Amino acid sequence: DAKTTQPNSMESNEEEPVHLPCNHSTISGTDYIHWYRQLPSQGPEYVIHGLTSNVNNRMASLAIAEDRKSSTLILHRATLRDAAVYYCTLPRSGNTGKLIFGQGTTLQVKP
Amino acid sequence: GAVVSQHPSWVICKSGTSVKIECRSLDFQATTMFWYRQFPKQSLMLMATSNEGSKATYEQGVEKDKFLINHASLTLSTLTVTSAHPEDSSFYICSARAGFYGYTFGSGTRLTVV
Repeated sequence: DAKTTQPNSMESNEEEPVHLPCNHSTISGTDYIHWYRQLPSQGPEYVIHGLTSNVNNRMASLAIAEDRKSSTLILHRATLRDAAVYYCTLPRSGNTGKLIFGQGTTLQVKP
Repeated sequence: GAVVSQHPSWVICKSGTSVKIECRSLDFQATTMFWYRQFPKQSLMLMATSNEGSKATYEQGVEKDKFLINHASLTLSTLTVTSAHPEDSSFYICSARAGFYGYTFGSGTRLTVV
């Protein structure tokens, strides 16, 4: 399985941008990079996903390195509601459709 | 967007009894669903893959006789924890692929075995 590595925790101030990094050096050429976030006692919530190009949606932006060995989730203006565990995930190899989670980054947002 | 509904949100059961957790795709058909378990302060661990009309496939180390999975229709998968014990207490989450939106997850079920 391709493995993801993220910092255990990060802090941000409210209203400021947040850049959450993820390393996935063993990613295969066809793997999409998925980002989810999870609040306590809730299921993960979809944030964004992409393959090669940078991606934007109403929640965030995803910047993917040219070699695809790393990516960065960008929250443009953090709010208190963005405090959560953010997971950078990859599907298991072999086109099984199984999404494998790493340890994630706990984001704290300070008012 | 695609929605997966999971019930119950929480359940407390006595040791030795069985508990059933339901996962429904509300506005799309899911031929495959995934079941995860999450212990406090840990990440999600994939337990099994539920396939409509066929047997589930289990991850290494997961007891298939303890965690019975049934995927009877294109919108419903169930996980039954049989003869539950305190060590089975955990947060169980289901998921399904939902087209462009990638994977969508249920809200989870907190199981406490006393």
